[in-house]
Amino acid sequence: GAVVSQHPSRVICKSGTSVKIECRSLDFQATTMFWYRQFPKQSLMLMATSNEGSKATYEQGVEKDKFLINHASLTLSTLTVTSAHPEDSSFYICSARDLTSGVNEQFFGPGTRLTVL
Amino acid sequence: RKEVEQDPGPFNVPEGATVAFNCTYSNSASQSFFWYRQDCRKEPKLLMSVYSSGNEDGRFTAQLNRASQYISLLIRDSKLSDSATYLCVVNNQAGTALIFGKGTTLSVSS
Repeated sequence: GAVVSQHPSRVICKSGTSVKIECRSLDFQATTMFWYRQFPKQSLMLMATSNEGSKATYEQGVEKDKFLINHASLTLSTLTVTSAHPEDSSFYICSARDLTSGVNEQFFGPGTRLTVL
Repeated sequence: RKEVEQDPGPFNVPEGATVAFNCTYSNSASQSFFWYRQDCRKEPKLLMSVYSSGNEDGRFTAQLNRASQYISLLIRDSKLSDSATYLCVVNNQAGTALIFGKGTTLSVSS
């Protein structure tokens, strides 16, 4: 299957700082990318849907000014957690989909584990 | 009602056992259904799509009952390597994003 990478895989930061997470599709063009968050023993929760060249669509309860998403190219989307707080500590996973391929499958990145001290 | 509900388990079974997981979903408009597998602290990986007629992939059989909004996964001849969390997944109302259940944990022992 297609490959999606995320960077960094793990990050520890202090409260109040901003953290940027990159999601790249390595061998296909991702017209749509999705950002999920998973707390321990919980399901993956969709945070936002990101379409290349347009503004992201955020799920209810997700603050768009806190979680900045940029999808400037067909192979890269970034999630920036601004003014991080300990409650933002979680496992952030992106996925990518090529809607033009006709394949109804999302390919997941390996995830980024964020710890805010 | 939660969008996708699963029995969290854990299911503890010996090698060679047959185990079944169930899942219900709330959105009758959902069109795509999947089972994903997630290992501890890893990303989910697609195990199989679920089709209306039911489908089989080796030791794994998936069934869909649209009338009851119910999905199942059957694993035959369990292996130690099957130990993981199995996520029931359906697409959202717009048909673009995926909605995940909390997962059912399987532990296969020798």
